[in-house]
Amino acid sequence: QLQLQESGPGLVKSSETLSLTCTVSGDSISSSGYYWGWIRQPPGKGLEWIGSFYYGGNTYYNPSLKSRVTISVDTSKNQFSLELNSVTAADTAVYYCARGSGYDANWGQGSLVTVSS
Amino acid sequence: EIVMTQSPAILSVSPGERVTLSCRASQSVNNDLAWYQQKPGQAPRLLIYGASTRATGIPARFSGSGSGTEFTLTISSLQSEDFAVYFCQQYNDWPPKTFGQGTKVEIK
Repeated sequence: QLQLQESGPGLVKSSETLSLTCTVSGDSISSSGYYWGWIRQPPGKGLEWIGSFYYGGNTYYNPSLKSRVTISVDTSKNQFSLELNSVTAADTAVYYCARGSGYDANWGQGSLVTVSS
Repeated sequence: EIVMTQSPAILSVSPGERVTLSCRASQSVNNDLAWYQQKPGQAPRLLIYGASTRATGIPARFSGSGSGTEFTLTISSLQSEDFAVYFCQQYNDWPPKTFGQGTKVEIK
């Protein structure tokens, strides 16, 4: 049974770097043939796609965030991570990791990250 | 970037009613359109992909239609557990993948 679990600090100071990890169980990031990625949702608002990768292929980022975002993979731990630098209050959101084939079929439960001044 | 526009923003309905939600794309996305349901405090759940294919475990009362720029999600007879926010997403031309702003289905 596939499970995705986000983890990381719930509070980040303004101008610093937000770091989250998604731990995957029930599938292998390196051999599944799916896209893996991150999506966020500010409190009470809609969904914003951050970026996705296909293992062994390219990593794609939202142009609106591209200059500040890095998605990386640790296949030894079956995890992938998100780094978002120079955060502001506008980056306060629930961050979800997801697996899909274009569409996002499977989601983690989400991790709320609050940016404080 | 393809802009997805959903209507209406809020829909007030009674249990048992038929519900139709709309999603429009700023340019053609062919059939690369997904619908998600989100309940408070939960992650979105995939309902429909490929504009009309139900995801695993999704009840038959949910159906999707449309192609190109106009899409519809229909719930044939609304159940109490269907009160939620519904989002559409295009994955035809990305990055970025883009979502509509959501339609909230609330109890009338």
